[in-house]
Amino acid sequence: EAEVAQSPRYKITEKSQAVAFWCDPISGHATLYWYRQILGQGPELLVQFQDESVVDDSQLPKDRFSAERLKGVDSTLKIQPAELGDSAMYLCASSLSGANVLTFGAGSRLTVL
Amino acid sequence: TQLLEQSPQFLSIQEGENLTVYCNSSSVFSSLQWYRQEPGEGPVLLVTVVTGGEVKKLKRLTFQFGDARKDSSLHITAAQPGDTGLYLCAGALRSSYKLIFGSGTRLLVRP
Repeated sequence: EAEVAQSPRYKITEKSQAVAFWCDPISGHATLYWYRQILGQGPELLVQFQDESVVDDSQLPKDRFSAERLKGVDSTLKIQPAELGDSAMYLCASSLSGANVLTFGAGSRLTVL
Repeated sequence: TQLLEQSPQFLSIQEGENLTVYCNSSSVFSSLQWYRQEPGEGPVLLVTVVTGGEVKKLKRLTFQFGDARKDSSLHITAAQPGDTGLYLCAGALRSSYKLIFGSGTRLLVRP
């Protein structure tokens, strides 16, 4: 069964350091999403790509977060510098273009010390 | 302010009991989805409901979309320990393409 791949699964970093997460969506899925899920809460959309273009990054803290999907396939989410409040699960999901049916990856859990 | 309110936030029941969790909003959704998430994993889609009043069944799980498409419920019959997890509802707003998640209901089914 096709899966959304994410790495690393776990990341521990100190505040002010840089951190990056990688996502490889299901083949053929044009839409890619990055969500942040704080413990005890539901996922919050950070950024949504359609192919290589950003269609929504209204909730992305752009002073420290960046996301790219250069070739319209895999994607990288970067945080620099990391802050204590960034500790969360970062979830990547993908879907067919125009569909709201999302397939999530297993997530990358970030702990900032 | 949470656009989608889920209740209860936490539920602990004995194996074999029935339960209902709710997802409410003042907004109208074009569709609503239910996901289940286990610790350390991503959410997994259970069902999508599209039509107001729609009822879908998935084995022991029954999902209902409100007539006005503002709310939904998930009923589990004869809960089993394998049902333990975080249940999330997510609505697609009619005015946009965004999928908005609720804060979740954490279910624990004790053997």
